[in-house]
Amino acid sequence: DADVTQTPRNRITKTGKRIMLECSQTKGHDRMYWYRQDPGLGLRLIYYSFDVKDINKGEISDGYSVSRQAQAKFSLSLESAIPNQTALYFCATSESGTFRSGANVLTFGAGSRLTVL
Amino acid sequence: DQQVKQNSPSLSVQEGRISILNCDYTNSMFDYFLWYKKYPAEGPTFLISISSIKDKNEDGRFTVFLNKSAKHLSLHIVPSQPGDSAVYVCAAQETSGSRLTFGEGTQLTVNP
Repeated sequence: DADVTQTPRNRITKTGKRIMLECSQTKGHDRMYWYRQDPGLGLRLIYYSFDVKDINKGEISDGYSVSRQAQAKFSLSLESAIPNQTALYFCATSESGTFRSGANVLTFGAGSRLTVL
Repeated sequence: DQQVKQNSPSLSVQEGRISILNCDYTNSMFDYFLWYKKYPAEGPTFLISISSIKDKNEDGRFTVFLNKSAKHLSLHIVPSQPGDSAVYVCAAQETSGSRLTFGEGTQLTVNP
């Protein structure tokens, strides 16, 4: 089984619908992240959580919300989906504190492709 | 503004030759730099990192070089293998353990 599992892997929905993308991990990491990827752009951070009681906005949080249900689970919601939220979404985890050299090494899920019509 | 930039969307090399992937950054506060590798339908996987206090880090066939004065880093793969064909993504972070800023990625194709 994958260390970081995202569901669904693919979803097509309509404008105005509520969508939830789920992420679960078996790494035992405290930190979890949601990123969005669009063609020609780098991964952009939507929300991140350093532990169950800690939720932080990233650079593009408008239109999104998250829930950290447990250390291992972090879900991303689109309350009312719009077409420009069509993208590939990645969940990631990392250890708290430094890792080896101090680099914040992320472990990514396989991605959830969302299409909003 | 794009603080981490990979100006080459794609690179094609012959098997056995060297692959050089480039990354430029603008933020002088970046402390660590990472390279990730991404295959289709998979998430990025960590490849190699380098601290800003070093100018080179090597791991097998992969070497990352950092030129702080030029705000430039590069990933060298020697020798290149067909299985290295993937998207390579450069990332940077300001302080130990903090959030990452990612480049757009470069598609590497290694031809047999």
